[in-house]
Amino acid sequence: GQSLEQPSEVTAVEGAIVQINCTYQTSGFYGLSWYQQHDGGAPTFLSYNALDGLEETGRFSSFLSRSDSYGYLLLQELQMKDSASYFCAVRDETGGFKTIFGAGTRLFVKA
Amino acid sequence: NAGVTQTPKFQVLKTGQSMTLQCAQDMNHNSMYWYRQDPGMGLRLIYYSASEGTTDKGEVPNGYNVSRLNKREFSLRLESAAPSQTSVYFCASSEQGRSTDTQYFGPGTRLTVL
Repeated sequence: GQSLEQPSEVTAVEGAIVQINCTYQTSGFYGLSWYQQHDGGAPTFLSYNALDGLEETGRFSSFLSRSDSYGYLLLQELQMKDSASYFCAVRDETGGFKTIFGAGTRLFVKA
Repeated sequence: NAGVTQTPKFQVLKTGQSMTLQCAQDMNHNSMYWYRQDPGMGLRLIYYSASEGTTDKGEVPNGYNVSRLNKREFSLRLESAAPSQTSVYFCASSEQGRSTDTQYFGPGTRLTVL
């Protein structure tokens, strides 16, 4: 089967850097995505890694190591508006392409 | 360009009632998905449709049926609602490819089953 693990909560101060880790187990790995969700809102796409390495988009970066079944989301220059839940998601091609989401990491940004 | 739209936004049902959740996208995407999200948890895939005319089960399909009416529309039906189906339901669409897996989500339907 498939499983993803990420920390349930992370707290950081405004202006700091925070890293949210994700480890996964899947038999048909295709790629790793990250989504942000504010309370009461819908998930919004942040990044996608299909190959090993770092992808950078503004203050957010995402990293993937396929050999370690591991990835992380790096948020720099934290702002209060970054307080949200962050989900890693694995694209799996076993039995047809589908996306499996982790349980999410709740990020609290303090002043 | 509205993106992904869902109706209704809120719904209260009694146990045993049926209803259909509607979803439409105007981005010409091939793939569409239905997820449920329970409080404090991640999204769980109910059903998905890789392309018009095809549907497949996800992680939690029991108690649900879907219809991919055309390329734009993907509906989710609860035939006999149960309290365990109280959740927020999100529809999403995407254009798949090796270099991308961006899913665009609708605003969600908040369903309560009494």
